[in-house]
Amino acid sequence: KQEVTQIPAALSVPEGENLVLNCSFTDSAIYNLQWFRQDPGKGLTSLLLIQSSQREQTSGRLNASLDKSSGRSTLYIAASQPGDSATYLCAVNQGGSEKLVFGKGTKLTVNP
Amino acid sequence: DTGVSQDPRHKITKRGQNVTFRCDPISEHNRLYWYRQTLGQGPEFLTYFQNEAQLEKSRLLSDRFSAERPKGSFSTLEIQRTEQGDSAMYLCASSGPLGGAQGGYTFGSGTRLTVV
Repeated sequence: KQEVTQIPAALSVPEGENLVLNCSFTDSAIYNLQWFRQDPGKGLTSLLLIQSSQREQTSGRLNASLDKSSGRSTLYIAASQPGDSATYLCAVNQGGSEKLVFGKGTKLTVNP
Repeated sequence: DTGVSQDPRHKITKRGQNVTFRCDPISEHNRLYWYRQTLGQGPEFLTYFQNEAQLEKSRLLSDRFSAERPKGSFSTLEIQRTEQGDSAMYLCASSGPLGGAQGGYTFGSGTRLTVV
């Protein structure tokens, strides 16, 4: 059974700092890995999708990497801003399934 | 197109009552998904439709839960005889013909259910 773990559970940083969020998964037979953002009481916003054949994806100040063999992904946020404060969720699709398996998320607070 | 729409946004119900939620996906999306998220946890998969066919269903979807997508457009999720443990955010997502695994998912804002 696939399990996704995110470390740390919570992170508080001053504005302008670069930071890394970590995600690990137990079964490397994934089809892709996705990072989402969730604001309090709201739905999920897709940030980055990395196919299993890819090593990284970038969007603006966000960069996500994937090391499928070791079961790890990182989300790098450059020059953090207070508006980045949210919970960041990592999720994987297993091969042959449309089901996403999520981690519990990392709650990020960026202080002005 | 305004994205994935869920109704209601909030629902408070007494234990034992039945509740029904509605999800309207993005119009050109033929795939629709339901997830449940409890406080402090990541979303958990409930079920998935391609057009009107329910193709995948989690063990979490007990006999009290039923989901339908009769015309391949909007979907409803019904919970019968609600229990306090059903209190959660119910999220709906949709994806296009490539599927979410390849093309990504668009989530709605969710329905927050509180069972008292």
